[in-house]
Amino acid sequence: QLRLQESGPGLVKPSETLSLTCSVSGDSFSTSSYYWACIRQAPGKGLEWIGTMYSSGSSYYNPSLKSRVSISLDTSEKQFSLKLSSVTAADTAVYYCAISALGNFDAFDLWGQGTLVTVSS
Amino acid sequence: QSALTQPASVSGSPGQSITISCTGTSDDIGDYNYVSWYQQHPGKAPKLLIYDVTNRPSGVSNRFSGSKSGNTASLTISGLQAEDEADYYCSSYTGSITLIFGGGTKLTVL
Repeated sequence: QLRLQESGPGLVKPSETLSLTCSVSGDSFSTSSYYWACIRQAPGKGLEWIGTMYSSGSSYYNPSLKSRVSISLDTSEKQFSLKLSSVTAADTAVYYCAISALGNFDAFDLWGQGTLVTVSS
Repeated sequence: QSALTQPASVSGSPGQSITISCTGTSDDIGDYNYVSWYQQHPGKAPKLLIYDVTNRPSGVSNRFSGSKSGNTASLTISGLQAEDEADYYCSSYTGSITLIFGGGTKLTVL
């Protein structure tokens, strides 16, 4: 059974860069035709799509975050990473990694448990 | 891009059916059959219930069904159960090759 695990800093200072790594484990995992995504949820708020990378390397980002976001993929290590620069308190949220093993850009059937990242000095 | 519009809350009694709407525009729901629905219990990650408007992933109960008309998608839950009490989110692919979520709907089982 596949599992997705996020790892992150927990606390990031304003103006610094948030870095999050998502690792996939499980014997049946194949990186072909998967969409890998980062989604966040501010405390008490709804879901916000950050960006998605396809297994081929193509990447797509939320226009409101595009200037600050980068997602990279390492299929050999079965992990992908998020970098969000120049963070402010508004970036405080639970950050989720998600995968579409269905091969859909928009439908994520595997999620990590989420990691809370707080932006504070 | 603005969030898709969902009612803030809906409620129903056990055994009843409820429907949650999700309204977008002609640039997202209206133009693409790429609408998904997620269920999220407090403190948990979202769970995919419906994709491509009407499809259920393996393992999801057939009490959950999806539909679309024009710019509005809907999630119907039949035979409401106590464990269905959760937040529900819709999402849609957009013409800008982006993804947009709804604001979420809190379902209360009375």
